Amino acid sequence: KAGVTQTPRYLIKTRGQQVTLSCSPISGHRSVSWYQQTPGQGLQFLFEYFSETQRNKGNFPGRFSGRQFSNSRSEMNVSTLELGDSALYLCASSLGRNKDYGYTFGSGTRLTVV
Amino acid sequence: AQKVTQAQTEISVVEKEDVTLDCVYETRDTTYYLFWYKQPPSGELVFLIRRNSFDEQNEISGRYSWNFQKSTSSFNFTITASQVVDSAVYFCALSEEETSGSRLTFGEGTQLTVNP
Repeated sequence: KAGVTQTPRYLIKTRGQQVTLSCSPISGHRSVSWYQQTPGQGLQFLFEYFSETQRNKGNFPGRFSGRQFSNSRSEMNVSTLELGDSALYLCASSLGRNKDYGYTFGSGTRLTVV
Repeated sequence: AQKVTQAQTEISVVEKEDVTLDCVYETRDTTYYLFWYKQPPSGELVFLIRRNSFDEQNEISGRYSWNFQKSTSSFNFTITASQVVDSAVYFCALSEEETSGSRLTFGEGTQLTVNP
């Protein structure tokens, strides 16, 4: 079956712009989590959505937001982009809250802010 | 607060050598989950193993084995007879049942290079 699909794979934006990234989870998976990966901070949790509700949020400013649709697809948005937002953004999907289900990650979206 | 430490930043071995990646974690929860992921240059995090805090049984799967010891808060990963294709960054991660909910807390990662 298809894995986790993230689009686009690469993105270049200018400071001050906004960006929307998309994640399509594995069919049947209802939980979608987002992570930011940078060389300096490593992998950091952004937020998690389950059945269209945000149920967990990391320590990121309000410029970072997300949502989940009824088909479990998720989008994250970053407004007023800063150079420090350049990163690999990874999405993970899971069947549910039980950790025994595990998390399957997509290939990520590499965002470059210039 | 939860924390995962991977003290080895980089490891370089020659093909067919055995290599162990270390992971030490901190948590106050009694129920938690530990993971190992592999990240090849393509960027995708590939799931390798998951263990919950009540399952200290160590496991061998092909060339991979894991050593989970609650007494030392360690969850080490060993590759036997390493191959060039094993070259990647390996991440250890922790998820707590109560304190942090569904989020994964990752270690800094260990860059493994297997030379032919």
